[in-house]
Amino acid sequence: ILNVEQSPQSLHVQEGDSTNFTCSFPSSNFYALHWYRWETAKSPEALFVMTLNGDEKKKGRISATLNTKEGYSYLYIKGSQPEDSATYLCAFGDNYGQNFVFGPGTRLSVLP
Amino acid sequence: DAMVIQNPRYQVTQFGKPVTLSCSQTLNHNVMYWYQQKSSQAPKLLFHYYDKDFNNEADTPDNFQSRRPNTSFCFLDIRSPGLGDTAMYLCATSGEGLNSPLHFGNGTRLTVT
Repeated sequence: ILNVEQSPQSLHVQEGDSTNFTCSFPSSNFYALHWYRWETAKSPEALFVMTLNGDEKKKGRISATLNTKEGYSYLYIKGSQPEDSATYLCAFGDNYGQNFVFGPGTRLSVLP
Repeated sequence: DAMVIQNPRYQVTQFGKPVTLSCSQTLNHNVMYWYQQKSSQAPKLLFHYYDKDFNNEADTPDNFQSRRPNTSFCFLDIRSPGLGDTAMYLCATSGEGLNSPLHFGNGTRLTVT
């Protein structure tokens, strides 16, 4: 059974703070790692699809890095805003499966 | 806009009373997924379709069935819901390959009383 972990489980930051959280996944048979943002009452939205070791991706104030050899990805948010409040999910895809295993998410609250 | 739509948004059903959740997509994606998410847990894959090919996860209860009559629609049938089936049910679609992002619906929050 594949295990994908995320830490911390929840996080409260002040507006303007920068923050980061971690997704840990199996370091063997890696195929792809996805990050999603899930705001309350909305559908999860894809942020990044990462496939290569050392990948760094950026979307506005949000960026992500990938280390497939050690099995982790970091998501960074620079200058957090209240609209960044959401649950951030990562999902791991391996070479064998046709589907993803999700982590439990990190719930971020940005306080004005 | 192309999208994934789930109905209903909220569903309350009684213990043992069959319920059907629906999902439709205008993205023309080959792959459709059903995930179950219980409070503060990771979304758990129940099954997925690659075109008409149905793939059931090994630990998906027999109580859960699915139908995909065409590319656009997919249904989740829970034949005899138990209290433990109270959860958010998410439908998602994707293009081919694990490097294609998932496109999610808004989910159906099911409560079994």
